[in-house]
Amino acid sequence: AQTVTQSQPEMSVQEAETVTLSCTYDTSESNYYLFWYKQPPSRQMILVIRQEAYKQQNATENRFSVNFQKAAKSFSLKISDSQLGDTAMYFCAFMKPLLNNDMRFGAGTRLTVKP
Amino acid sequence: DSGVTQTPKHLITATGQRVTLRCSPRSGDLSVYWYQQSLDQGLQFLIQYYNGEERAKGNILERFSAQQFPDLHSELNLSSLELGDSALYFCASSATGIETQYFGPGTRLLVL
Repeated sequence: AQTVTQSQPEMSVQEAETVTLSCTYDTSESNYYLFWYKQPPSRQMILVIRQEAYKQQNATENRFSVNFQKAAKSFSLKISDSQLGDTAMYFCAFMKPLLNNDMRFGAGTRLTVKP
Repeated sequence: DSGVTQTPKHLITATGQRVTLRCSPRSGDLSVYWYQQSLDQGLQFLIQYYNGEERAKGNILERFSAQQFPDLHSELNLSSLELGDSALYFCASSATGIETQYFGPGTRLLVL
């Protein structure tokens, strides 16, 4: 079974600085998707970024980028130029690209951006 | 706004009761997923439907059931409710079932 581990329950960063959230996963699959979702105080789950395992290039979305290390089964999220609105829970998630699938989530990292 | 809608936003009920949560997927999405987020167990996958058929089942209790209708909206039925069923229930949808899942705003259920 696939498991996703986020070892940092809480983190904080100063506004405008850079922070990296860690995620590791365990799978025997070679083809899969990895995601970072953000859950602000509103509790809405918002997609931040997605990475396909077959792609060597790390995904980037504006201030958000990932460091995907397939051999090490590591998938960290880097947030550059942190903003107050980035304060949220961040969940790492794993999914197999099958018609019958489910997404496995890590326990989450609570990020606080300080002014 | 993800395009996924869920009703109601909040639900307060008593133990032993039955409730129905409703989800409308994004336009064009065929697959619907249900997740439960409780304080002590994080986000747990419950069940997936694809074009009206059940495709995958997670840790869904026998007291819970779901279905997806021909217009692709889905309902999650929770019966014989217990205090421990209090949680945030999310619906998500994806185009084909193997693509990115987009989440609705959730239904917050409180069982008293």
